Amino acid sequence: GQQVMQIPQYQHVQEGEDFTTYCNSSTTLSNIQWYKQRPGGHPVFLIQLVKSGEVKKQKRLTFQFGEAKKNSSLHITATQTTDVGTYFCAGLSNFGNEKLTFGTGTRLTIIP
Amino acid sequence: DAGITQSPRYKITETGRQVTLMCHQTWSHSYMFWYRQDLGHGLRLIYYSAAADITDKGEVPDGYVVSRSKTENFPLTLESATRSQTSVYFCASSDVRSGATEAFFGQGTRLTVV
Repeated sequence: GQQVMQIPQYQHVQEGEDFTTYCNSSTTLSNIQWYKQRPGGHPVFLIQLVKSGEVKKQKRLTFQFGEAKKNSSLHITATQTTDVGTYFCAGLSNFGNEKLTFGTGTRLTIIP
Repeated sequence: DAGITQSPRYKITETGRQVTLMCHQTWSHSYMFWYRQDLGHGLRLIYYSAAADITDKGEVPDGYVVSRSKTENFPLTLESATRSQTSVYFCASSDVRSGATEAFFGQGTRLTVV
């Protein structure tokens, strides 16, 4: 079955440093989504990427979808304490079957 | 403005007991999902449903049963709870008809099996 892996599993950064998490799927995806889960909270949708090579930005967050539509990345510039949490990618393999497969997540902690 | 709600938020049960986790959404979303979250495994799909009376297995369905007699409800039952089912369970829904596929999650149920 479809597998979605994320690296790294954990990341500790100084406040103000950049952060990147990478997502790799075993199969080609129709789209990829990113979610953020604050400690003790539930996953909250951030963004969806659909096109091959697509790049989207949300303030300090930059999301990329690979040319082959099998990998993606999330980059945060100049991290802040509000960025703390676990970031998940989630892949959708086929439109019409809305079964999201989540990655293992990257837990980001910020050192003030 | 309830959205998607799960109950109970916390549950402790004994091995071998049957327990049901409830999920209710007020948006009439067609798709609903149950995930479990364990350290190191991310979110793993247990079951999902495309519409009322349509359900399908996810990655880890063994030991669980679901039903969806009404669009707004999607209960998850552990028929005979085991310690390995201690986890945080999240219910989610999505509205395919709008063209959007993002999932909206409930607050989660923390289940402990002793």
